[in-house]
Amino acid sequence: GAVVSQHPSRVICKSGTSVKIECRSLDFQATTMFWYRQFPKQSLMLMATSNEGSKATYEQGVEKDKFLINHASLTLSTLTVTSAHPEDSSFYICSAPNRGGNTDTQYFGPGTRLTVL
Amino acid sequence: AQSVSQHNHHVILSEAASLELGCNYSYGGTVNLFWYVQYPGQHLQLLLKYFSGDPLVKGIKGFEAEFIKSKFSFNLRKPSVQWSDTAEYFCAVYGSSASKIIFGSGTRLSIRP
Repeated sequence: GAVVSQHPSRVICKSGTSVKIECRSLDFQATTMFWYRQFPKQSLMLMATSNEGSKATYEQGVEKDKFLINHASLTLSTLTVTSAHPEDSSFYICSAPNRGGNTDTQYFGPGTRLTVL
Repeated sequence: AQSVSQHNHHVILSEAASLELGCNYSYGGTVNLFWYVQYPGQHLQLLLKYFSGDPLVKGIKGFEAEFIKSKFSFNLRKPSVQWSDTAEYFCAVYGSSASKIIFGSGTRLSIRP
């Protein structure tokens, strides 16, 4: 089946630095990708919708200047956490629907655990 | 606004017990409904989905869910759970006009061997 990968799987950084997380659809093209954040023992919170060739759509309360999203190609979306702080520590998950946005084939990446010291 | 509620935060059952996890949603338009499972240390996996048609949908591993439109519910059921069903279960809703999937808070299922 379709696969979505994320890199890195785990990252530890110092406060004030920026961290880039990549999300790739490995065997299909995705014009749209979704970025979620999952706190320990909590649900996935949709942060933003990444759109290939256009600006991302952010959910209410998510700082677009803090969480920069770039969907440069049909198989790659990146999330950059700028000037990271300890409260940004979380598990970040991306997903991509196959077949041009058909939601019955939503594939999730394995997630990236970010720890900000 | 689109929202999903899962009222059971943690459910503990013995093997062979029957399971029902509640899910209620709020959305004014056409919805697609999903149940996902996240086993410890693994990705989210789709258990089952409802788009239209028969409101009783069957998924993998013996799970099923029933869409009751009048109650805005999509409860997950399994007649006899196994220890391997220990996982986190998430209900999710896709609103057609909103074009995004919103997840419920999740239910942790623990099965005693």
